[in-house]
Amino acid sequence: EDQVTQSPEALRLQEGESSSLNCSYTVSGLRGLFWYRQDPGKGPEFLFTLYSAGEEKEKERLKATLTKKESFLHITAPKPEDSATYLCAVQALGGGSQGNLIFGKGTKLSVKP
Amino acid sequence: NAGVTQTPKFQVLKTGQSMTLQCAQDMNHNSMYWYRQDPGMGLRLIYYSASEGTTDKGEVPNGYNVSRLNKREFSLRLESAAPSQTSVYFCASSVGTIDVGYTFGSGTRLTVV
Repeated sequence: EDQVTQSPEALRLQEGESSSLNCSYTVSGLRGLFWYRQDPGKGPEFLFTLYSAGEEKEKERLKATLTKKESFLHITAPKPEDSATYLCAVQALGGGSQGNLIFGKGTKLSVKP
Repeated sequence: NAGVTQTPKFQVLKTGQSMTLQCAQDMNHNSMYWYRQDPGMGLRLIYYSASEGTTDKGEVPNGYNVSRLNKREFSLRLESAAPSQTSVYFCASSVGTIDVGYTFGSGTRLTVV
């Protein structure tokens, strides 16, 4: 069964304190792995898509990496405005319902000034 | 602004009442989705429409029906609401490729009493 597990559930950082969020996945053939940001009371906002092991993508203070079993979202020198819940999702190869996104439960990040 | 628009934003129903959640996108996307988000459960797919004229069940379809009215609009109907359907409902759309991910609406918070 395709599955996504995110850790930790919650993470508190001081402004400027770099850290990483983990997304472990089990999927029968990976088509893509996604990272989203979700602010309270809003819908998820797309950040990155990663396709194959070894791939990396960056956006401002965020850097996403991918291995065959997990993905990391590295946050460098975070600011309070980076506080949000970060969601990881995978899309399996294959058509129909197999091709839909499977989401993890998210990591709630709080960055204190 | 371009994006996904959901109505209403908040709704309280009594057990057994019916209602329709509306969703419209103005990005000319082919695919549309309905998710529910519950604390500790993550986002779960209810129904999706890969293209105009087609709809398919997702992970948790029981108690719901959908209609893809045209390319822009995808509605979710609760025929006889139950307390277990208390949740935040998100509509999303995608162009059909995975490179840019899904675009989500801002959600409908539904409480069934």
